[in-house]
Amino acid sequence: GENVEQHPSTLSVQEGDSAVIKCTYSDSASNYFPWYKQELGKRPQLIIDIRSNVGEKKDQRIAVTLNKTAKHFSLHITETQPEDSAVYFCAAVYTNAGKSTFGDGTTLTVKP
Amino acid sequence: NAGVTQTPKFRVLKTGQSMTLLCAQDMNHEYMYWYRQDPGMGLRLIHYSVGEGTTAKGEVPDGYNVSRLKKQNFLLGLESAAPSQTSVYFCASGRTSDYEQYFGPGTRLTVT
Repeated sequence: GENVEQHPSTLSVQEGDSAVIKCTYSDSASNYFPWYKQELGKRPQLIIDIRSNVGEKKDQRIAVTLNKTAKHFSLHITETQPEDSAVYFCAAVYTNAGKSTFGDGTTLTVKP
Repeated sequence: NAGVTQTPKFRVLKTGQSMTLLCAQDMNHEYMYWYRQDPGMGLRLIHYSVGEGTTAKGEVPDGYNVSRLKKQNFLLGLESAAPSQTSVYFCASGRTSDYEQYFGPGTRLTVT
């Protein structure tokens, strides 16, 4: 089955700096890659996603890149703010089967 | 529009007891999912459904059963609870498999 590895597990940055979180996946059949943000005690919520026919997608301060050949994708957050502090999860989805596999999460702390 | 709701929010079980967790969505979504979230381990897929009357196994299905008799409801059953099933359980729904998953608020289950 699919295996998703996410790094780093914790990340601490100064407000205004950039943060990068990386994920690798094992199954080349996976074709949809969402990123979720989970604040403490809350439910995960989608922040950005990318499909396998696209190499990069940007939404204001957040961007995601996908390298299908290397089977890895990354989340980039620029100009970080304290409210960006949360746990971030990547996922790989094999849409034909409807099956999602999540990474173990990255705890991002943005220091004011 | 309540989105995704879960019942109950908290539950304490003794080893060997059974219970059913209810997930309901009012968005007419085809796909529904049950995950468990343990500290440091991200979201692991237990079972999922690609439409009314269908169910499929995820990564960690042992010890759980599910049913999707109505499109809006997805039930997760524990027939004989074990301490290893102590976790936070999230339900989610999605319009399609390559689309955002909307998560419920979670159920915190403790098995003693």
